[in-house]
Amino acid sequence: GAGVSQSPSNKVTEKGKDVELRCDPISGHTALYWYRQRLGQGLEFLIYFQGNSAPDKSGLPSDRFSAERTGESVSTLTIQRTQQEDSAVYLCASSLGPRENNEQFFGPGTRLTVL
Amino acid sequence: AQSVTQPDIHITVSEGASLELRCNYSYGATPYLFWYVQSPGQGLQLLLKYFSGDTLVQGIKGFEAEFKRSQSSFNLRKPSVHWSDAAEYFCAVGGSGGYQKVTFGIGTKLQVIP
Repeated sequence: GAGVSQSPSNKVTEKGKDVELRCDPISGHTALYWYRQRLGQGLEFLIYFQGNSAPDKSGLPSDRFSAERTGESVSTLTIQRTQQEDSAVYLCASSLGPRENNEQFFGPGTRLTVL
Repeated sequence: AQSVTQPDIHITVSEGASLELRCNYSYGATPYLFWYVQSPGQGLQLLLKYFSGDTLVQGIKGFEAEFKRSQSSFNLRKPSVHWSDAAEYFCAVGGSGGYQKVTFGIGTKLQVIP
């Protein structure tokens, strides 16, 4: 597609439920990143994919968070047993490759609200 | 560990006035530095980046930033602000660990008044 897309754009869920957030990167981009943006905070790195492997998962805040990527395309971020502190905007970005000077292109984000 | 400080959470400027958004970073070697803009309801868009070379970097939309190693700063400037520049601006620093792990500041929200 023309840009990074994410779905859903908004998700409201009850505490304790599982949620899945989807990211479609730009075609041909091998690198994919997930970030979390809490209200009034900067972007918090969660996980990085190169192809379908995740060499850096260091930002995942707990074992309730997991992510997968199919080949060099779609990625899903799953949050199990959601908590109110998980409420945030989840941003996905992709880049051509892992080199430092590759620009990251961001999607519009998924706003997650946990009641 | 790398970090970014944006000391101004909110800034208000008049349309046509000059703008400077501050950014200070902490990184053990030569950093890769970025400024992104996030308009309401939009994803982040890269304004400009610094990797090496000329310390004054030109970006899109008339923005520029200057890397000052002695001050660990990478301030964003624009000589004349337009109403459409109202948005949130994020400074970020990247490492050289073989892939682009980037640490973002908390952002500066810019309000432009007529």
